[in-house]
Order: sequence, then C-alpha cells, then structure tokens
Amino acid sequence: DTGVSQDPRHKITKRGQNVTFRCDPISEHNRLYWYRQTLGQGPEFLTYFQNEAQLEKSRLLSDRFSAERPKGSFSTLEIQRTEQGDSAMYLCASSAPTAGETQYFGPGTRLLVL
Amino acid sequence: GEDVEQSLFLSVREGDSSVINCTYTDSSSTYLYWYKQEPGAGLQLLTYIFSNMDMKQDQRLTVLLNKKDKHLSLRIADTQTGDSAIYFCADEAAGNKLTFGGGTRVLVKP
Repeated sequence: DTGVSQDPRHKITKRGQNVTFRCDPISEHNRLYWYRQTLGQGPEFLTYFQNEAQLEKSRLLSDRFSAERPKGSFSTLEIQRTEQGDSAMYLCASSAPTAGETQYFGPGTRLLVL
Repeated sequence: GEDVEQSLFLSVREGDSSVINCTYTDSSSTYLYWYKQEPGAGLQLLTYIFSNMDMKQDQRLTVLLNKKDKHLSLRIADTQTGDSAIYFCADEAAGNKLTFGGGTRVLVKP
C-alpha cells in the first residue's frame, strides 16, 4: 500500500465557488480524519470518521463544510461558498486499531481562494 | 481546551545534536507524537511515546517525557542537512484527535 492519498494536490478557486476534496486512506484503516493547516500554524482537527460514521466535528467546521465517507473507504470534504479565509492546506489522515491508532497523513490539498 | 506549545525556531550545525521542546496541558493524553513536515508536503510520523513511558529511543531519535511537568522533547543525534524541516509535537486526546503545537522550524547549517 502506498499510504494516504489526496486529490487534488492544489486547488485555486474564486470566492463563492464550491470545492470538493477527496481522501483515500490506507486500505483497511477504519478511522479517517480531516485537519486544516493555515500558513505558519500547526494542523487543527476538523472531523473524523470511524468506518462510515462521522463521530466528531470541530466547531471550526462551519455550516459551509460537509464531510462524508459513504462506504467507509474514501472520504470527501466539500466547502460551499468559499471565502478567502478558507485558504489553507487540508490534510487527511487514517488510522487502525492494529497500528495503535497512530495517524498517518496524506500529502494534503492546498486551497487558495481568490 | 488542550494547548500545545513549541519554540518557533532552532538553528544547529551539521553533526551536532538538536533538541526540540514541547509543553502540553492535557493531563489525559495517552500518546504524544512527533511529526516532520518538509516544505509543501504532508506530515511524516517520526516517533511517538506512550504516556506511561519516560523515554523512547529510535535510531537517531530520542524522546523524553516528563509527565509531571507536561514536557516532551525530541533529540536528534548527528543532525544532517536533510533534517531541516518543521517539527510538530502533538498530543492525543479523547476520541483520538490530535492537538498540534505551532511547529519548530529546524535549520541545519553545514
């Protein structure tokens, strides 16, 4: 397995547009996490799934953000009506109980909202 | 809420040891992690320590944990230019979400 993958790697959009990011976890990892990292800061937790169930959402995840993991494998993160403040790196991670729930991160999707 | 703090910058000469420090506030942390991030890339897991351990060594990396003072450190022996990066400590709270520090930028000078 090649690790966590994310698509696209970069996205430039205009304010007000909707964007969707995809994350493919390490196969058989049942937990999937989304984090947001702004320039010069550490990542901040957004939400996580165990299989297809979304178990926790941060207060950072406004109504414009929605995440899904319909079949318990890949996940999508959608941002509606993007704002300039949404510009950040969106990181996905996955974990499994057999690996002590250690989180392994993907390369991230860098979003720039103009 | 939980808080994790790190110093911003560390400069070290190639071949010397680097020590990166981190403090955290969450008493219920079970695991503490160190991740490395190179420019434009995701986070690479370096090592982690369980909260009931004081020390963990993994090749050039040594993690020290002082649970009483809520202080974590990462020592990199024989620092190389390829070690130049941003290093994040993170603590794992309930629900397995990670709380990260702001990162320490390490610059290795030849």
